[in-house]
Amino acid sequence: AQSVSQHNHHVILSEAASLELGCNYSYGGTVNLFWYVQYPGQHLQLLLKYFSGDPLVKGIKGFEAEFIKSKFSFNLRKPSVQWSDTAEYFCAVNARGGYQKVTFGTGTKLQVIP
Amino acid sequence: DADVTQTPRNRITKTGKRIMLECSQTKGHDRMYWYRQDPGLGLRLIYYSFDVKDINKGEISDGYSVSRQAQAKFSLSLESAIPNQTALYFCATSDSPGRGELFFGEGSRLTVL
Repeated sequence: AQSVSQHNHHVILSEAASLELGCNYSYGGTVNLFWYVQYPGQHLQLLLKYFSGDPLVKGIKGFEAEFIKSKFSFNLRKPSVQWSDTAEYFCAVNARGGYQKVTFGTGTKLQVIP
Repeated sequence: DADVTQTPRNRITKTGKRIMLECSQTKGHDRMYWYRQDPGLGLRLIYYSFDVKDINKGEISDGYSVSRQAQAKFSLSLESAIPNQTALYFCATSDSPGRGELFFGEGSRLTVL
C-alpha cells in the first residue's frame, strides 16, 4: 500500500521568504503526484500535479514542485511567499493501476507573517 | 454553482443519532469518494465508488455506510453517531479511468455531542 509523509507540520515564514515543503511517498510502482491547498475555512483545491514528463512542475500562484524519483520525493517550492499563501498544504499520491486510490499526507500548515 | 455540492454544511447532533451527509455533482464523473479530515491526520478515505454498482471500503469505514443513488449522488450515513466521529467530511469526485485528480465539495462539518 502507498503512504505519504510530510515532514513539516507547521511552518512560519515572513513575507518574501522562500518556501520548501517536503513530501516523500512510499510505493514501488508508478505514481501520479499532487499538491492540494486548503485556505482557511475552504475546501481543498489542486495546486499542481505530476503525471509524467518534465519532473519540474509549475502550478498556480507561483508554486512549483520537483519529482525526484530516486528519492521518492515531490517537494513543493515557492521563491517568495505572500500573506495570502497562509493555508494548509497536502501532498497526495495516486498509484497507477488497480483501484487508483489517492492517499494524502497529514498536511503542513503554513503561516505567513506580514 | 459548485460542481460538487454537500449538504448539510454544518450539523450538530447527539450521540446515537442517525446522520446522513449528501453529495451531488455536476461534473459527470463516475468516481466519487468520502474523506474525513481531522487536525494533524490529514484526509482519510472512508468509502469510494467507481460507479453505481461498485462501492468499496476505504481505510476507516467502520461506523459508516454509503449509498450511491445515481451517478451524480453519493451519500454517507452514520447509523449511530459517536463523539469521535466529530470531523470535517469531504466528498470528492474524479474522472474515469482517472489519474487521481480529485475535485472536492465544500465540506460538511459534523459535531457529535
